[in-house]
Amino acid sequence: EPEVTQTPSHQVTQMGQEVILRCVPISNHLYFYWYRQILGQKVEFLVSFYNNEISEKSEIFDDQFSVERPDGSNFTLKIRSTKLEDSAMYFCASSGAAQGGNYGYTFGSGTRLTVV
Amino acid sequence: KQEVTQIPAALSVPEGENLVLNCSFTDSAIYNLQWFRQDPGKGLTSLLLIQSSQREQTSGRLNASLDKSSGRSTLYIAASQPGDSATYLCAVQPSGTYKYIFGTGTRLKVLA
Repeated sequence: EPEVTQTPSHQVTQMGQEVILRCVPISNHLYFYWYRQILGQKVEFLVSFYNNEISEKSEIFDDQFSVERPDGSNFTLKIRSTKLEDSAMYFCASSGAAQGGNYGYTFGSGTRLTVV
Repeated sequence: KQEVTQIPAALSVPEGENLVLNCSFTDSAIYNLQWFRQDPGKGLTSLLLIQSSQREQTSGRLNASLDKSSGRSTLYIAASQPGDSATYLCAVQPSGTYKYIFGTGTRLKVLA
């Protein structure tokens, strides 16, 4: 069964440092997403990406965050200057279609980011 | 603003019981509703997707129903097993958006 792959599984970084979280979506999917889950809280939407541009973003996704699809397979989330409150599990997802239709999301197993 | 609520927050049942998990959402204008399973420290596994025009979906021992007009969905698990122990998340995709909005989940423990 096709998978969404995320690396690394766990990353520890110092406050103020830049981090890049990496994802390889399912190869024939067209829509890509980042979500995060702070420990003990809900899964929250960050951003969706289609046709090499952001299609929707949440209030959380401020200027500190950026996304990129640098080649045909990777999808990255960059946090420019990490804060303690950025500590969370970050999930990448992809789907064959975005709105409606019989296309669910496939999530990756997540990257646990710890900011110290 | 769409909000998703799940009850109960936690549930502990003996093996073999049939059980129902509930999800409610405040705005009926949705494209899809998905149920996910999350194991501790792990990712999200999609269980069932219900499109807004559908009433229910079934996969093995799982059955999910959707009553869009009343803003409710239920996940029915038949003949529960210890391997079903996990957190079950309900998520809705509001119309006109790309995102899913998640509930806080129901943490299920099935006792052997």
